[in-house]
Amino acid sequence: GAVVSQHPSWVICKSGTSVKIECRSLDFQATTMFWYRQFPKQSLMLMATSNEGSKATYEQGVEKDKFLINHASLTLSTLTVTSAHPEDSSFYICSAPGVSGEKLFFGSGTQLSVL
Amino acid sequence: DAKTTQPPSMDCAEGRAANLPCNHSTISGNEYVYWYRQIHSQGPQYIIHGLKNNETNEMASLIITEDRKSSTLILPHATLRDTAVYYCIVRDSNDMRFGAGTRLTVKP
Repeated sequence: GAVVSQHPSWVICKSGTSVKIECRSLDFQATTMFWYRQFPKQSLMLMATSNEGSKATYEQGVEKDKFLINHASLTLSTLTVTSAHPEDSSFYICSAPGVSGEKLFFGSGTQLSVL
Repeated sequence: DAKTTQPPSMDCAEGRAANLPCNHSTISGNEYVYWYRQIHSQGPQYIIHGLKNNETNEMASLIITEDRKSSTLILPHATLRDTAVYYCIVRDSNDMRFGAGTRLTVKP
């Protein structure tokens, strides 16, 4: 199946700094990618839909100025958590539809810890 | 807003079949039923999906009722490595929204 690579797998940062997470489709092109957030013992929550060449679409309650999404190419989407605070500590996961669009393939996730 | 209802947890004996139910009574005609699973601290893994007919692949079988209001995922011979949270998802349009899932624990 298609592979979605996410980097880094974990990151620790100080409060107030910004953190960038990369999501790459390795062997296929993705005009759309999805970003999720998952808190401990909870399910995945869709944060935003990343669209190549245009603005991302954010879910209700997700601050677009805090979670900057850039989808500059057909194989790369990035999520930048700006001015991170401890409450932003979470597991962030990206996904992309495969060529047929029927399946979503997920990255391995990024564990963000903000001190 | 998840469109599915699943039991929060289930246990299964190793080597036995694991049958995971899912209720999706409000499913519409063009929506597919997807199953994913998530092992701790990893990204979700695709298992199977279907529209109307029962489906089978190397991982599992998916049984969808005739009225499509519920389905069952069957892992025919559960192993300890099948311990995970299993998500049943009704997919509309492009994105995929997760409910609470079922935490399956396979016991020796």
